[in-house]
Amino acid sequence: AQKITQTQPGMFVQEKEAVTLDCTYDTSDPSYGLFWYKQPSSGEMIFLIYQGSYDQQNATEGRYSLNFQKARKSANLVISASQLGDSAMYFCAMREGGNYGQNFVFGPGTRLSVLP
Amino acid sequence: GAGVSQSPSNKVTEKGKDVELRCDPISGHTALYWYRQSLGQGLEFLIYFQGNSAPDKSGLPSDRFSAERTGGSVSTLTIQRTQQEDSAVYLCASSPGGGRLETQYFGPGTRLLVL
Repeated sequence: AQKITQTQPGMFVQEKEAVTLDCTYDTSDPSYGLFWYKQPSSGEMIFLIYQGSYDQQNATEGRYSLNFQKARKSANLVISASQLGDSAMYFCAMREGGNYGQNFVFGPGTRLSVLP
Repeated sequence: GAGVSQSPSNKVTEKGKDVELRCDPISGHTALYWYRQSLGQGLEFLIYFQGNSAPDKSGLPSDRFSAERTGGSVSTLTIQRTQQEDSAVYLCASSPGGGRLETQYFGPGTRLLVL
């Protein structure tokens, strides 16, 4: 079963507008972390934002914020005031907290294109 | 400070040859991960090292794939008798202690093409 689902293979957004990238996850572990990474065409994976399952508030990092809805098991990434440089692949990932040695699970990604 | 580095950045090889890919994690990071990313796809976990513990090899796709980590630092991923389907970007990542909620930091990847 898919642990991380990203239902939007591709998204378009006009420059300076906000965009939401969807991510839903599946786990029975009460302790887990959710991560978003950006992968531009250069190929490097860039860490954007992190949300812990016990965090009371939604994570924010500059123009990035995470809309964490625990009961719905969703962790959508919101990018405000989109810039041309935001065009990239975006991956949602989860790490379950049961034991040390648990690997990350990545979703299939969403390709975001920012239009001038 | 220096990030995760990988070498070579690109590798072209002939089917049937062996290849070695190298990863230098961030200094002091005890956890190291290898992933494979095929063209246009997400990341596929391959193997995970944490300190001196036995590695988690659950993601290795076949016995042609192996990895070592010497002295708790540098890691080498070896693919024996390469096949065309091994063509992909191989990404290495490290994290400070392997703690369950730590993020990981990625290297630039090695692009492998098997002809």
